[in-house]
Amino acid sequence: NAGVTQTPKFRILKIGQSMTLQCTQDMNHNYMYWYRQDPGMGLKLIYYSVGAGITDKGEVPNGYNVSRSTTEDFPLRLELAAPSQTSVYFCASSYRQDPSSYGYTFGSGTRLTVV
Amino acid sequence: GNSVTQMEGPVTLSEEAFLTINCTYTATGYPSLFWYVQYPGEGLQLLLKATKADDKGSNKGFEATYRKETTSFHLEKGSVQVSDSAVYFCALTSLSSGGSYIPTFGRGTSLIVHP
Repeated sequence: NAGVTQTPKFRILKIGQSMTLQCTQDMNHNYMYWYRQDPGMGLKLIYYSVGAGITDKGEVPNGYNVSRSTTEDFPLRLELAAPSQTSVYFCASSYRQDPSSYGYTFGSGTRLTVV
Repeated sequence: GNSVTQMEGPVTLSEEAFLTINCTYTATGYPSLFWYVQYPGEGLQLLLKATKADDKGSNKGFEATYRKETTSFHLEKGSVQVSDSAVYFCALTSLSSGGSYIPTFGRGTSLIVHP
């Protein structure tokens, strides 16, 4: 009964480094999302995917890349990390694109600091 | 575009007090409305939802009614407990002209309940 699993939970990066935030779900959800949460702010959508092999940009995609080679995995790649990317990152999934019935299932987040 | 406005926090209450967290929205079409709760160090969890006007969502003693005429979805609980201390997010989804459901979250309202 894992749900959505994110790794790592915490990470400190130096400016210019790169890393991949991992997200895996075991609910066979087609729809997956990456959000960032800045202090005092709501969640901003970075990228989303409606199924394996299909991804699209959200509200704040610059500086990030994603891939979706399987239904289960939706990794988020940061290239050339910048202090502005210091945030908490959440991965989420949903059974249907219209979440009216089921809502979204969120992972527990990755707290990233870029110094 | 869609937007969600929540009252600013933190909201500080004594145990057994009445809770109201205001949420208003702007959306195209006919949105579904949600309240999510985030406990410290965890991801967001769906608390309740309403999919059409005058629907009342309820869960764990929390309630919210979809008011189309005032574009509001205020969260209420008659008697809060210390364990309700968390951050509460109002959110909506609606079908865009492009045929997708992209959720919009409010900034979140922190609730602190004292014994």
